Amino acid sequence: GAGVSQTPSNKVTEKGKYVELRCDPISGHTALYWYRQSLGQGPEFLIYFQGTGAADDSGLPNDRFFAVRPEGSVSTLKIQRTERGDSAVYLCASSFQSGGPGDTQYFGPGTRLTVL
Amino acid sequence: GNSVTQMEGPVTLSEEAFLTINCTYTATGYPSLFWYVQYPGEGLQLLLKATKADDKGSNKGFEATYRKETTSFHLEKGSVQVSDSAVYFCALSGGSNYKLTFGKGTLLTVNP
Repeated sequence: GAGVSQTPSNKVTEKGKYVELRCDPISGHTALYWYRQSLGQGPEFLIYFQGTGAADDSGLPNDRFFAVRPEGSVSTLKIQRTERGDSAVYLCASSFQSGGPGDTQYFGPGTRLTVL
Repeated sequence: GNSVTQMEGPVTLSEEAFLTINCTYTATGYPSLFWYVQYPGEGLQLLLKATKADDKGSNKGFEATYRKETTSFHLEKGSVQVSDSAVYFCALSGGSNYKLTFGKGTLLTVNP
């Protein structure tokens, strides 16, 4: 079946602009995660959704970052007033969330964001 | 908080050599442990996992054992192939929302 998809695959923007990154999780997966991966680093957690609600947004770096998942499926990560330090690969993952920390998270291919 | 420390790379081996990539962790409670792999040009994919102490995860000839006494989850393979060239990430999850905490990754290059 289809895996996690993310669009766009690449996004180049200018400092100060607004961007939206989209994630389409595996059908039926109730848990959705956003991570950010900087060059040479492992992914870092941003936000977790269980259904439509953000259950944990403790990883969002500041109030320029916001994410929604209005119907419990597709999610959009929104970044306002982008800065050069926001340049990274943004990863989305989903899991079935059967109730244990051993659930496998399935990752999308990522969106590479470059802020000029 | 939770943290993962893994062996710095890059690691370069010849085909059929033995591989070990060290991973240690700090966590409260009883986390689950994972190895993810990122092949060139591809996304992250799960390689193996273990959910409780002394469990051994295995896949594609790779193995890792959850050692609570040493807080470690070292990745091993007896005979690597060129196709194993990739970046390997150790990760853990625990607590109520199961977010993953990753190490920095180890780049493995296997030469023919």
